[in-house]
Amino acid sequence: EDQVTQSPEALRLQEGESSSLNCSYTVSGLRGLFWYRQDPGKGPEFLFTLYSAGEEKEKERLKATLTKKESFLHITAPKPEDSATYLCALQGSGGSNYKLTFGKGTLLTVNP
Amino acid sequence: GAVVSQHPSWVICKSGTSVKIECRSLDFQATTMFWYRQFPKQSLMLMATSNEGSKATYEQGVEKDKFLINHASLTLSTLTVTSAHPEDSSFYICSANPLAGIQETQYFGPGTRLLVL
Repeated sequence: EDQVTQSPEALRLQEGESSSLNCSYTVSGLRGLFWYRQDPGKGPEFLFTLYSAGEEKEKERLKATLTKKESFLHITAPKPEDSATYLCALQGSGGSNYKLTFGKGTLLTVNP
Repeated sequence: GAVVSQHPSWVICKSGTSVKIECRSLDFQATTMFWYRQFPKQSLMLMATSNEGSKATYEQGVEKDKFLINHASLTLSTLTVTSAHPEDSSFYICSANPLAGIQETQYFGPGTRLLVL
């Protein structure tokens, strides 16, 4: 069974204080690992898809990396508007309907 | 690109009534759409996979007769919560894959908040 564990559950940073969010996973065959941002009362917003170990992707202050067991979302010099819940999800190759398995998320708060 | 809309964004209904939620892909076609439910401070739980032109696939524990799914076209899927009860109150979110099988990324709608009184 595919499993996703995110840590920490909550993270509070000062503006400009860089940090990383962790997503550990187990899967029989990885089709893709996804990062989403979710603001309160809204649907998840797509950030990145990673397909293979060693892959990295960047977008503004965010950088996602992938190994065979975990993924990191690095946040450089965060701003208050980066405050949100960040969700990690994976898609295994075992199923045929592109099902996503989500972690519980990391609630990020960036204080000014 | 890859915009998904949902309607309504909020719905309040009485116990025992049925509620229909629409999910539309606005700028792409989707043979597959997904319906999720999210309870407060919890992550998304997949309810069912909606396939255009065929029956939906439901996750274990989800009552198919209670949550009716119709994927009428390549841009529209609907979820009907039949005989809603207070325990059905939740945040319902749909997603869609552009060109499933070629690009696996799911794009999510803004969600529908359902409150059953």
